Amino acid sequence: GAGVSQSPRYKVAKRGQDVALRCDPISGHVSLFWYQQALGQGPEFLTYFQNEAQLDKSGLPSDRFFAERPEGSVSTLKIQRTQQEDSAVYLCASSPIFSGQGNQPQHFGDGTRLSIL
Amino acid sequence: QQQVKQSPQSLIVQKGGISIINCAYENTAFDYFPWYQQFPGKGPALLIAIRPDVSEKKEGRFTISFNKSAKQFSLHIMDSQPGDSATYFCAARIVYAGNMLTFGGGTRLMVKP
Repeated sequence: GAGVSQSPRYKVAKRGQDVALRCDPISGHVSLFWYQQALGQGPEFLTYFQNEAQLDKSGLPSDRFFAERPEGSVSTLKIQRTQQEDSAVYLCASSPIFSGQGNQPQHFGDGTRLSIL
Repeated sequence: QQQVKQSPQSLIVQKGGISIINCAYENTAFDYFPWYQQFPGKGPALLIAIRPDVSEKKEGRFTISFNKSAKQFSLHIMDSQPGDSATYFCAARIVYAGNMLTFGGGTRLMVKP
């Protein structure tokens, strides 16, 4: 498909388990973003990649959260020792340009809904 | 600190009416202001966006009004339709500082037929 693809769409895990969420950006898109959207809230920034480089991880809520994009395309967001407060929709977005190159929009995937029991 | 405040949280409009959603921001470094539409189970989709050097931008039934001195901007949906029923988010970003978006809290719009 032509859009941002995220998998799985739904993930249920027990508290304390590790989870991995995958994002396939639009082919050729340089920038990739992860956001966390709590129920009834706006998305909140987690981290940002430009190709394989993680340029900003200031939004990651704790050191249990880790993201990577080793080949500059697919990205994985990993959450270790999950807690109930990690329950949210995790959104991935991609953009075709480098930071600072104008106002190209971010294209969002449909997210992964994570539920921690 | 919530950098982008959005109101109202919910809005009910009759078909054919005008829907108005307001946002206020604090960080004067923001220089790009998009509006996103989100349907249940879907990701946000860009509707329309504006730069602060423009006071108004119109695309079809959607208009952004921007007041730089007041640090406020709003979305007007003209001739609202039931298909417009969704959650709307305003956002802001600093183009030359990573491009990450700061979102408002969202407005759930219902357009009654």
